[in-house]
Amino acid sequence: EAQVTQNPRYLITVTGKKLTVTCSQNMNHEYMSWYRQDPGLGLRQIYYSMNVEVTDKGDVPEGYKVSRKEKRNFPLILESPSPNQTSLYFCASSLWAGTLSYEQYFGPGTRLTVT
Amino acid sequence: DQQVKQNSPSLSVQEGRISILNCDYTNSMFDYFLWYKKYPAEGPTFLISISSIKDKNEDGRFTVFLNKSAKHLSLHIVPSQPGDSAVYFCAASTNTGNQFYFGTGTSLTVIP
Repeated sequence: EAQVTQNPRYLITVTGKKLTVTCSQNMNHEYMSWYRQDPGLGLRQIYYSMNVEVTDKGDVPEGYKVSRKEKRNFPLILESPSPNQTSLYFCASSLWAGTLSYEQYFGPGTRLTVT
Repeated sequence: DQQVKQNSPSLSVQEGRISILNCDYTNSMFDYFLWYKKYPAEGPTFLISISSIKDKNEDGRFTVFLNKSAKHLSLHIVPSQPGDSAVYFCAASTNTGNQFYFGTGTSLTVIP
C-alpha cells in the first residue's frame, strides 16, 4: 500500500530536550516536505526536499532541522524544542518534474506537545 | 503574512445542494492551485488542482474555478454528500513547484 508514515504519532516532551520525528514514504517520490498545522494559521511549510541531499527552507524553518540522506526518509529534528513548537506536524511526499511537484501525499500527523 | 486566505472558517449545506468554498490569494506569481480535504485525525488528501493556464477543472462532483484577475478560486461540490463533511484547504505554488502556501481551511458540514 502506497503511504507516508510518521513516528511517533503523539509526543509530549520538555523544553530543550532534542527530538526527532521520522517520516518515510514507499512511493519512490523525489519531493518531501514538512508542515505544521496550528489553529487559525492553517498549514505552514517548514522545510522541503527535492531529492537526496537537496533541502530548502519553507515559510517557518526557525527551530527545525531536516536531512535527506535516503530518498524514502525525511526526518524532522528539533534540537531544542520550545513551547511555541507545540503543534500538529505533517510530512508529505510527491513526484517531482523538475519545475513542478504534483499533488502531495500526507502522513497521518504527529501531535507534539512541548511543556 | 497569509498569502492564501480562506475567509469562511465554516460552511453548512443541505445534502444534495451545492457547496461553494472560496479562496483568495495575494501573490500574482502563483500559478498552480490545489484543494485538499482533511478528516479529523488524518492527514490531508488531494482533491483537485488547476494550473493558471485554465479557468476551470472538473473531476466528478468537484469543480475548481480560477479567476486570475481577481486572484480568487473556488471549489464547487455538486451534489453535496454527508461524506464530504471535512475541512478543506486550498494551496498555491509558483511555477518552481517547490514551495506551497496553504489557506487556513474551511470546515464543511453537509446536513443529511
